[in-house]
Amino acid sequence: AQKITQTQPGMFVQEKEAVTLDCTYDTSDPSYGLFWYKQPSSGEMIFLIYQGSYDQQNATEGRYSLNFQKARKSANLVISASQLGDSAMYFCAMREPNTGNQFYFGTGTSLTVIP
Amino acid sequence: GAVVSQHPSRVICKSGTSVKIECRSLDFQATTMFWYRQFPKQSLMLMATSNEGSKATYEQGVEKDKFLINHASLTLSTLTVTSAHPEDSSFYICSASRQGLSNQPQHFGDGTRLSIL
Repeated sequence: AQKITQTQPGMFVQEKEAVTLDCTYDTSDPSYGLFWYKQPSSGEMIFLIYQGSYDQQNATEGRYSLNFQKARKSANLVISASQLGDSAMYFCAMREPNTGNQFYFGTGTSLTVIP
Repeated sequence: GAVVSQHPSRVICKSGTSVKIECRSLDFQATTMFWYRQFPKQSLMLMATSNEGSKATYEQGVEKDKFLINHASLTLSTLTVTSAHPEDSSFYICSASRQGLSNQPQHFGDGTRLSIL
């Protein structure tokens, strides 16, 4: 079974609008971490935001927020006030302590911001 | 500033050449580093886990003799693509994370675009 599932291969959003990128995960470990990364066309992986499994509140980092629904095992990324520079691939990832430092990545969502 | 440095960023070479890629953690000691391969418009595929002072752990289907990994110090891991062929052309990217709590993200190098002619 896939550890991380991203069901949206591609998304479009109008500049200045908000967009939600979906991510569901699968784990039986009570302790885990969820991460989102941005990968522009240049290739580097940029860490955006983190959510811990025991965190009571949704994580926020500037225009990025994470809609964490633990019972549904979802960790959707919300980008508010989209900018042209937000156009990139976005990857959801999970880290489980029992597997050491290994991260599990989803297949990614390609976001295009339309002017 | 960069936390993980990866060099070179781009390599173009002839078939049969061996290519070495370096991955350095700049701000912390990394007993474990990871090597990924990424095809266009696809996700990162974990190739191997590099362990300082011991043998690397390879994922199923990854040829150990083809992709040699050396983790000689706590800040440096190298991936050598031996006798590279056109099918080895890809984007290779390394990562490392601080030890300890699970809230530590993986920090990635900027990747290496390998083109074998």
